[in-house]
Amino acid sequence: DAGITQSPRYKITETGRQVTLMCHQTWSHSYMFWYRQDLGHGLRLIYYSAAADITDKGEVPDGYVVSRSKTENFPLTLESATRSQTSVYFCASSASSYEQYFGPGTRLTVT
Amino acid sequence: ELKVEQNPLFLSMQEGKNYTIYCNYSTTSDRLYWYRQDPGKSLESLFVLLSNGAVKQEGRLMASLDTKARLSTLHITAAVHDLSATYFCAVARSTGTASKLTFGTGTRLQVTL
Repeated sequence: DAGITQSPRYKITETGRQVTLMCHQTWSHSYMFWYRQDLGHGLRLIYYSAAADITDKGEVPDGYVVSRSKTENFPLTLESATRSQTSVYFCASSASSYEQYFGPGTRLTVT
Repeated sequence: ELKVEQNPLFLSMQEGKNYTIYCNYSTTSDRLYWYRQDPGKSLESLFVLLSNGAVKQEGRLMASLDTKARLSTLHITAAVHDLSATYFCAVARSTGTASKLTFGTGTRLQVTL
């Protein structure tokens, strides 16, 4: 089924470990985004990408790395996970500077 | 820095009542969004407001935008239990390569019988 998917949906990892969250969309949208959702903060933009090989920082990029070698994939890597990165992560995509469509989310717990 | 404030943060209302959620933002923007989120779920787009005076309605929800006041409202008419969810407004800023969204903290709506 077409759309935007995220994997894994749930992840528990230990402090200091590297973890990668995957995002895949089948619409060939140019723009892709990563947000984190924390109670009391709404959603905050981590990184975004306007096209393959073009990425830029959002509001809270520290501790995260992204890449986009293919239009349909936008992985988010936590290089050395910390407890403060426990959150729900949402990926989104957009065909233009217009409406963003959100994936189902990944709930990440760092112990 | 763009700041987006929503109020109230939590709203408990009886079925059949009317209420309004407010979204204030601090700098000029070219578009504003309203999203709905059910517990444990993703965000569902409700409305996109593109210009001053824009009003959109879907069922019991109506959204409006006043760009001069930097204010958007989401009005709920004759609430029903199915409207229980968290509602977010998000303000867009175009940066040349993408439209970045800044979200409000959300309003958790609970509609009681």
